[in-house]
Amino acid sequence: DAKTTQPPSMDCAEGRAANLPCNHSTISGNEYVYWYRQIHSQGPQYIIHGLKNNETNEMASLIITEDRKSSTLILPHATLRDTAVYYCIVTPLQGAQKLVFGQGTRLTINP
Amino acid sequence: ETGVTQSPTHLIKTRGQQVTLRCSSQSGHNTVSWYQQALGQGPQFIFQYYREEENGRGNFPPRFSGLQFPNYSSELNVNALELDDSALYLCASSVRPGENQPQHFGDGTRLSIL
Repeated sequence: DAKTTQPPSMDCAEGRAANLPCNHSTISGNEYVYWYRQIHSQGPQYIIHGLKNNETNEMASLIITEDRKSSTLILPHATLRDTAVYYCIVTPLQGAQKLVFGQGTRLTINP
Repeated sequence: ETGVTQSPTHLIKTRGQQVTLRCSSQSGHNTVSWYQQALGQGPQFIFQYYREEENGRGNFPPRFSGLQFPNYSSELNVNALELDDSALYLCASSVRPGENQPQHFGDGTRLSIL
């Protein structure tokens, strides 16, 4: 499974866009990029996923570079409730699709 | 709310005992995956069940076992508990393997081993 690299922590001001980077330089052609977040004492929450095209939903946007070696999760208008650990995960569509979680990025939204 | 429910929410056991954790999957989902999350770490994949059969396993010893029932609910059993088994145990349900759909997690069972 491809590994991902994320900064351990980031800060963002409330109301601004939060841009969380992820490096996955060893990604294979059949592997998707998934983003989850985990707020303290809760289970991970699914945010968004994509293969090679940019994706947007009601929570966030996912920008994947053309060579697919990195991606950025964008929370367009961060609120205090977005404070959480964000995980970038690469997983193939085939098989058990086990999610391999790294250490993630601890995002703190400041008032 | 993901529709994935786990019970109990908290549990305290002693070394050597056995424990059973339960998970009800989201409606329409027939695949259940279990993860262990130690304090300060990301979740680690234990195994996955699809149509009542194990469909992949992580690097966990055989004393970690599971079941999936015809209604797609699932159990995680751990025998001969060790201190290092203290963790948050998470269950995630999904449509089925190979589908381009995410896994949705419950809020876990916090297991403490004394």
